[in-house]
Amino acid sequence: DSGVTQTPKHLITATGQRVTLRCSPRSGDLSVYWYQQSLDQGLQFLIQYYNGEERAKGNILERFSAQQFPDLHSELNLSSLELGDSALYFCASSEVWGAGNTIYFGEGSWLTVV
Amino acid sequence: QQQVKQSPQSLIVQKGGISIINCAYENTAFDYFPWYQQFPGKGPALLIAIRPDVSEKKEGRFTISFNKSAKQFSLHIMDSQPGDSATYFCAARGDYGQNFVFGPGTRLSVLP
Repeated sequence: DSGVTQTPKHLITATGQRVTLRCSPRSGDLSVYWYQQSLDQGLQFLIQYYNGEERAKGNILERFSAQQFPDLHSELNLSSLELGDSALYFCASSEVWGAGNTIYFGEGSWLTVV
Repeated sequence: QQQVKQSPQSLIVQKGGISIINCAYENTAFDYFPWYQQFPGKGPALLIAIRPDVSEKKEGRFTISFNKSAKQFSLHIMDSQPGDSATYFCAARGDYGQNFVFGPGTRLSVLP
């Protein structure tokens, strides 16, 4: 158990809908990352937050947005969903931004768009 | 510059054999190189990591070899076991201001 908690674990929704994925980082971790993993694909970096502020942005679509709250949990909002958005979405956390330590991944949220 | 290349895409090894996965990078600002192991339906888990000031790091059956001048690093799994069957990702991170960059992954199958 990495200590990173993601909910929901599975989600099925229709095209055009909006969903919110939630992540609680490891205790004490200030930095949260979101990654997308499609079937048999690698880990695509979406966005990173540090202590409530956006720090880095990857290949995140305009239909997607995220935020990190004062209690350090984070939410990834996916709107106007398309079939191609079906994927495993991972949240990861690390102690600090800029330090050389590693990141720890949650179990992921399986999103299926039908 | 931000890419990490990884090969092979898939690997089949007999039980007891050596599994070798190779990665290469371009950005010399990268200075921390972890490997992650991912089982189906699970999140990637840190396996072993190395900094470029050492050429090799060993933890049990897992060894990272690092060649700073060639900007290459590799994971060796000795005495490979069926339980090692998973997808392996190499990654790289800069010291400040850089996010983790992951290789595309290698699917390892160890035959019993």
